[in-house]
Amino acid sequence: EAGVAQSPRYKIIEKRQSVAFWCNPISGHATLYWYQQILGQGPKLLIQFQNNGVVDDSQLPKDRFSAERLKGVDSTLKIQPAKLEDSAVYLCASSFPQGPEAFFGQGTRLTVV
Amino acid sequence: SQQGEEDPQALSIQEGENATMNCSYKTSINNLQWYRQNSGRGLVHLILIRSNEREKHSGRLRVTLDTSKKSSSLLITASRAADTASYFCATDAGYQKVTFGTGTKLQVIP
Repeated sequence: EAGVAQSPRYKIIEKRQSVAFWCNPISGHATLYWYQQILGQGPKLLIQFQNNGVVDDSQLPKDRFSAERLKGVDSTLKIQPAKLEDSAVYLCASSFPQGPEAFFGQGTRLTVV
Repeated sequence: SQQGEEDPQALSIQEGENATMNCSYKTSINNLQWYRQNSGRGLVHLILIRSNEREKHSGRLRVTLDTSKKSSSLLITASRAADTASYFCATDAGYQKVTFGTGTKLQVIP
């Protein structure tokens, strides 16, 4: 069974630039999560989708972050403009509708300079 | 915000010893999960315990849950060097909103 796919694996950008991350969840997984993990900390939930609807985005900095999940499958997370404090690993995870075990991708390591 | 807080933050033991890490959380939950994260990689689900369960076993893992104290513990018996990783508890308070704790960094010395 294919796992959660994320790309790119690494990205370095200058502050104020924009960046986008892509996630392809496991087939059949209705729930999709984006987490931000700053070095030395636990993952922080940014946004949770159920199919293509948003369940929770209370911790998403909406002035600069946006996310969408087209057709209830793939998802993209965008940051525009990036700040230095956005340097982190961005993890995508998915789970079956009945949950709750989440399957994680390898993450995208973002460095903002 | 982090729902759970793990204790200790870091733990170093010899191979063959047992490792115990604790998690405290703030709100009522439907279930609690433990995940492992190897350096630079994604998280891997280890075990889940539901709010109506008190103890669960999976191989060398033993998890306990005390909902009255809002706490859980993960015991890894007969540790191996390959167990070296960060361990996170994650709580589900409903709607599959999975919130992670701060993590315990475990080092197992061969």
